[in-house]
Amino acid sequence: DTGVSQDPRHKITKRGQNVTFRCDPISEHNRLYWYRQTLGQGPEFLTYFQNEAQLEKSRLLSDRFSAERPKGSFSTLEIQRTEQGDSAMYLCASRTAGEHGYTFGSGTRLTVV
Amino acid sequence: AQKVTQAQTEISVVEKEDVTLDCVYETRDTTYYLFWYKQPPSGELVFLIRRNSFDEQNEISGRYSWNFQKSTSSFNFTITASQVVDSAVYFCALRGGSGNTGKLIFGQGTTLQVKP
Repeated sequence: DTGVSQDPRHKITKRGQNVTFRCDPISEHNRLYWYRQTLGQGPEFLTYFQNEAQLEKSRLLSDRFSAERPKGSFSTLEIQRTEQGDSAMYLCASRTAGEHGYTFGSGTRLTVV
Repeated sequence: AQKVTQAQTEISVVEKEDVTLDCVYETRDTTYYLFWYKQPPSGELVFLIRRNSFDEQNEISGRYSWNFQKSTSSFNFTITASQVVDSAVYFCALRGGSGNTGKLIFGQGTTLQVKP
């Protein structure tokens, strides 16, 4: 296991299109987090999964956003009807219960044109 | 509410200078954790250190050192004899204690540029 993988690394989409990102955490990590990072800012929390259960969602996660983690392994983040304001880096992180260290992926950079 | 403030947006130093990155946090939790991450141009967040609220002992790791002071709610990071490879964005982050889902609250980041 080489760490947290995110796919794709870059995505350019037209406004109004739907996009989906994937995160593959470290296999033994049951906790998974999504963050959004806009230019010049720190990452902001979006949502948290413990196994397959989505236990917390930020106010930043509007109804156009949905995240899943169907079997408690990989996770997907979908944005419907993208807007220019959705342009950002989307980061995924995972950790295991009882551990305080988080492993982050390299992120998916979304550009909405 | 929890908050992390990194007042320095950008710092530029010449190689071999020492540099300190400031971090001030706000939380009502009695148990919490503080982190520093480095983000190179590749984008991945690289873990540097974690400190819990009960451990105020300062830590040194090679050229890196951290000064945690609960009295001033600060967790500052010093790089001694900076190198060009230290150029990156550095983030301070806070995580609440028990009952918390473990989400991190990040500061705005400090961009460090080390010139040769």
